[in-house]
Amino acid sequence: AQSVTQLGSHVSVSEGALVLLRCNYSSSVPPYLFWYVQYPNQGLQLLLKYTSAATLVKGINGFEAEFKKSETSFHLTKPSAHMSDAAEYFCAVTTNNDMRFGAGTRLTVKP
Amino acid sequence: EAGVAQSPRYKIIEKRQSVAFWCNPISGHATLYWYQQILGQGPKLLIQFQNNGVVDDSQLPKDRFSAERLKGVDSTLKIQPAKLEDSAVYLCASSIAAIDTGELFFGEGSRLTVL
Repeated sequence: AQSVTQLGSHVSVSEGALVLLRCNYSSSVPPYLFWYVQYPNQGLQLLLKYTSAATLVKGINGFEAEFKKSETSFHLTKPSAHMSDAAEYFCAVTTNNDMRFGAGTRLTVKP
Repeated sequence: EAGVAQSPRYKIIEKRQSVAFWCNPISGHATLYWYQQILGQGPKLLIQFQNNGVVDDSQLPKDRFSAERLKGVDSTLKIQPAKLEDSAVYLCASSIAAIDTGELFFGEGSRLTVL
């Protein structure tokens, strides 16, 4: 079955610094990949998704992710962190309508 | 557009008691999901409905968990009897159709604490 591994349960950056959240996937068939964000006491919200079109995907709030098949990766980046980016981020993979989530990465943004 | 509604937001019960959670998906969304999110982990699918039929309940602990989606709209997830390890946030999500290329819309979740 497909799965994702998020490297680093906690990431801390300074405001204005680059944000890099890592996600590696495992799938026997071409996957569809997603990043979701969860703010405290809220449900998950879609940031961006890869569905076999362009490998560089742009999402909301200035985030983007690049699908790299050779590295089985789908890392999430943002050039300049903002205080409002502090949240939990989940990478997810689907094949055959079965969506599996990673364990999540908590992003802290320091002033 | 109204989002996915869930209630109650918080519930505290003792082990061996029962609890029920309710979900109202976005209007027109045929597919409804219940996820369990244990602290420090990603959401885990419990059950998926397509209209009022079950598509996938392979990870639902059927000895204590049950779910129904009458008339293909609202859904209820029940736990009876609850165990300590059932403490988690129960997330309901809906989508227009298949999720492979679509998007899941999540509710705010129902946080269950079992004492």
